[in-house]
Amino acid sequence: NAGVTQTPKFQVLKTGQSMTLQCAQDMNHNSMYWYRQDPGMGLRLIYYSASEGTTDKGEVPNGYNVSRLNKREFSLRLESAAPSQTSVYFCASSSRQVQETQYFGPGTRLLVL
Amino acid sequence: GENVEQHPSTLSVQEGDSAVIKCTYSDSASNYFPWYKQELGKRPQLIIDIRSNVGEKKDQRIAVTLNKTAKHFSLHITETQPEDSAVYFCAASNPNAGKSTFGDGTTLTVKP
Repeated sequence: NAGVTQTPKFQVLKTGQSMTLQCAQDMNHNSMYWYRQDPGMGLRLIYYSASEGTTDKGEVPNGYNVSRLNKREFSLRLESAAPSQTSVYFCASSSRQVQETQYFGPGTRLLVL
Repeated sequence: GENVEQHPSTLSVQEGDSAVIKCTYSDSASNYFPWYKQELGKRPQLIIDIRSNVGEKKDQRIAVTLNKTAKHFSLHITETQPEDSAVYFCAASNPNAGKSTFGDGTTLTVKP
């Protein structure tokens, strides 16, 4: 089992460019999440998907969109990147909703110039 | 919404000493409280968790206590070792809200 995988590992964007961060899990989990981690700010929830076909906003959804492509895959899209979106992005999954352990991917480090 | 406060933000102890990290939460409907450890440059990983029907849980050198009335829970690490050095995050999960809220993290340094 690979667990939760993310691509890319590192990306540099210019302001205004767009990109999609990919996440996949092979644990047959129902719920998937996208977080951003800034220094001293902990983990902030961007969007989550409680099950295939559903998505909901988290604490900081502005500037992002998501797609739950199927049960395995959950992508995060930045339509027009801004320097404030420079961060480390983690995808996570859990077997059901938040009452269970979340398994995190290795993270994507994004720098927006 | 839920608000989780975590203290202290940094903690330095001598090897062999104990370390305690405390979190408070605001939403009385939260019923699941995990703790994650994040080593430098790595992903967060669960080290212990507790549910609201339990007051204390232990796993070797790690223990978590929960006080539902006061809405706070704590992580206790005994006989600390240098490999315990990491950032520790608490979280509170409200099933009705469908999401978890994380504390801002505690950087623990264990000096040999």
